[in-house]
Amino acid sequence: AQSVTQLGSHVSVSEGALVLLRCNYSSSVPPYLFWYVQYPNQGLQLLLKYTSAATLVKGINGFEAEFKKSETSFHLTKPSAHMSDAAEYFCAVTTAGNKLTFGGGTRVLVKP
Amino acid sequence: GAVVSQHPSRVICKSGTSVKIECRSLDFQATTMFWYRQFPKQSLMLMATSNEGSKATYEQGVEKDKFLINHASLTLSTLTVTSAHPEDSSFYICSARDRVEGEAFFGQGTRLTVV
Repeated sequence: AQSVTQLGSHVSVSEGALVLLRCNYSSSVPPYLFWYVQYPNQGLQLLLKYTSAATLVKGINGFEAEFKKSETSFHLTKPSAHMSDAAEYFCAVTTAGNKLTFGGGTRVLVKP
Repeated sequence: GAVVSQHPSRVICKSGTSVKIECRSLDFQATTMFWYRQFPKQSLMLMATSNEGSKATYEQGVEKDKFLINHASLTLSTLTVTSAHPEDSSFYICSARDRVEGEAFFGQGTRLTVV
C-alpha cells in the first residue's frame, strides 16, 4: 500500500521569497516520487522525479526536492518565487509496476 | 518530453447523450493508460487503468458500464461517458505510461459539462 500526504492545501508566498511545499509518503517498498504542477484547466506537468538515484533532485523552473528516507519526505522547494509559479502542485508516489497515488494538492498563491 | 494529446479539451453535451474522449501518445508507445477524474479544487481520482488489448481495470465505485474504456492500440485509449448526466460534469485527465521508461505523461484534460 502507498499513500501521500501534502501538508497545507494552500500556501501564500511573496514574490522573491522561498517556496516550500511539504510531502510525506508511505510505501512498503522503495518508492518513486514525483512532483507535478497544474495550471487552471490544464493537465499535469512533471516538475521533477526521484527514482532511487541522487537524493537531491533538480527539476524545471528552478524547483528542487530532496528525498529523505528517514523522514519519509520529499519536500519541494524553490529559492525565489515568481508570479508564474502560482498554480496547484501535486506530490505523487508509485512503486515499480504500480499506479500513481496523488496527494491532495497544494495551491500556491504568489503575492507581488 | 513525451507528449500525450487529449481531445477534446472542452465539451458540452445534453443529458442522456454519450461523449467520447480520446487520449493519444504522440511519440511513444504506451502499454498502460490511466483515466482520472478531478473535481474542482480537489486531487485526481483514478477511475481506471487500461492495458492495450485487454479489458480495463476499474477502481472501486466507478461504473464500468457508465465509463467505457477502450485501449485498442499502443497509442490510443478512449473514454466514453454513456448516458451522461449533470453529475458527470467534471475535468477528466488521461495519462500514458511510456513502455520503455515507465514514466507517466499527462494529457491536457477535458472539461465535460452536461446540461
